[in-house]
Amino acid sequence: NAGVTQTPKFRVLKTGQSMTLLCAQDMNHEYMYWYRQDPGMGLRLIHYSVGEGTTAKGEVPDGYNVSRLKKQNFLLGLESAAPSQTSVYFCASEDSGSYEQYFGPGTRLTVT
Amino acid sequence: GNSVTQMEGPVTLSEEAFLTINCTYTATGYPSLFWYVQYPGEGLQLLLKATKADDKGSNKGFEATYRKETTSFHLEKGSVQVSDSAVYFCALETGANNLFFGTGTRLTVIP
Repeated sequence: NAGVTQTPKFRVLKTGQSMTLLCAQDMNHEYMYWYRQDPGMGLRLIHYSVGEGTTAKGEVPDGYNVSRLKKQNFLLGLESAAPSQTSVYFCASEDSGSYEQYFGPGTRLTVT
Repeated sequence: GNSVTQMEGPVTLSEEAFLTINCTYTATGYPSLFWYVQYPGEGLQLLLKATKADDKGSNKGFEATYRKETTSFHLEKGSVQVSDSAVYFCALETGANNLFFGTGTRLTVIP
């Protein structure tokens, strides 16, 4: 089992560019999450999904979109990147009802 | 609302010292409580959890007790090792598919 994987590991964007971060899990988990981690602020939830075809907003959803077309994949999109979106992004998955989230290794995004 | 407050770091200890990282919470309802650990360059990993009052979570020599009366979930370890150097996050979940994290406490253990 690879667990939770994230692509890419690093990316540098210019303001206004778009990109998609891919998260994949092979544990057949129903729930998936996208967080951002900023210094001194812990992790904040961007969007989450409780099953294929469903998504919901978290604490800081503005400027991001997500899609869950397949159960194993959860995509995070930035349509027009801004410097405020410079962060480390973590994806996580959870077996529904277990309360235990499994995290990917993170994507470090810099927007200049 | 829901929130987690944990002790600010960084914390530096000598090997074999006793560790306490304080965590208190505010929550509506009856949350589950967690400690996650993040080693350098990696994602977070669940260290231990407790799902109801007076439960004690334990793993790898770490333990924490869910204290409803003091709304606390302090992390302790009797004898830390260099390999315990990491960032530790306290978190709560109220069953609404949302983990609320503290800001993290960086622990450095020196030989």
